[in-house]
Amino acid sequence: NAGVTQTPKFRVLKTGQSMTLLCAQDMNHEYMYWYRQDPGMGLRLIHYSVGEGTTAKGEVPDGYNVSRLKKQNFLLGLESAAPSQTSVYFCASSYIYSGQASYEQYFGPGTRLTVT
Amino acid sequence: GEDVEQSLFLSVREGDSSVINCTYTDSSSTYLYWYKQEPGAGLQLLTYIFSNMDMKQDQRLTVLLNKKDKHLSLRIADTQTGDSAIYFCAESMSSSASKIIFGSGTRLSIRP
Repeated sequence: NAGVTQTPKFRVLKTGQSMTLLCAQDMNHEYMYWYRQDPGMGLRLIHYSVGEGTTAKGEVPDGYNVSRLKKQNFLLGLESAAPSQTSVYFCASSYIYSGQASYEQYFGPGTRLTVT
Repeated sequence: GEDVEQSLFLSVREGDSSVINCTYTDSSSTYLYWYKQEPGAGLQLLTYIFSNMDMKQDQRLTVLLNKKDKHLSLRIADTQTGDSAIYFCAESMSSSASKIIFGSGTRLSIRP
């Protein structure tokens, strides 16, 4: 199993450009998450999904959109990139345990995004 | 609001014990975690403790939980160079997929 993979690993955008980050997991997990990691701060949740076709806002959703058309994929979109979105983006997934999200999240290797 | 705080850096000599500390504010936390992030990689769950436990030991790792002071610590015995990483403390309530709160991470460096 590849686990959680993210594409691309690095990207540089100009202000106003758009892009989509792809997350894929092959563990048949129901839950998927997008986080951003900034220096000196913990991971902050952008959006998450509790199943195919569903998404929900996290702590810092503004400026991002997501889609979960297939269970194994979770896409994060930036419609008009801003320098404040320079960050490392992590995708994670988790399975259902006793009807709820399990306590363990499995993380991808991250995407480093720079917006100039 | 909920918050998880930890110091940013820790340097220890190889072979010594490392103790990474964390404080949290949400008294309703059910799970408390330690995640490890190696350079260029995503976070990996290292260990966890339920809020109804005081201590958990797993090989070289010992987790201590002081619920009264809302203080969590991770002790790594016989620290090795492979333990160099960023360690994140995190808390959650079991009922919500969206409510894992991460600390800012402690960078552990090992001196020879």
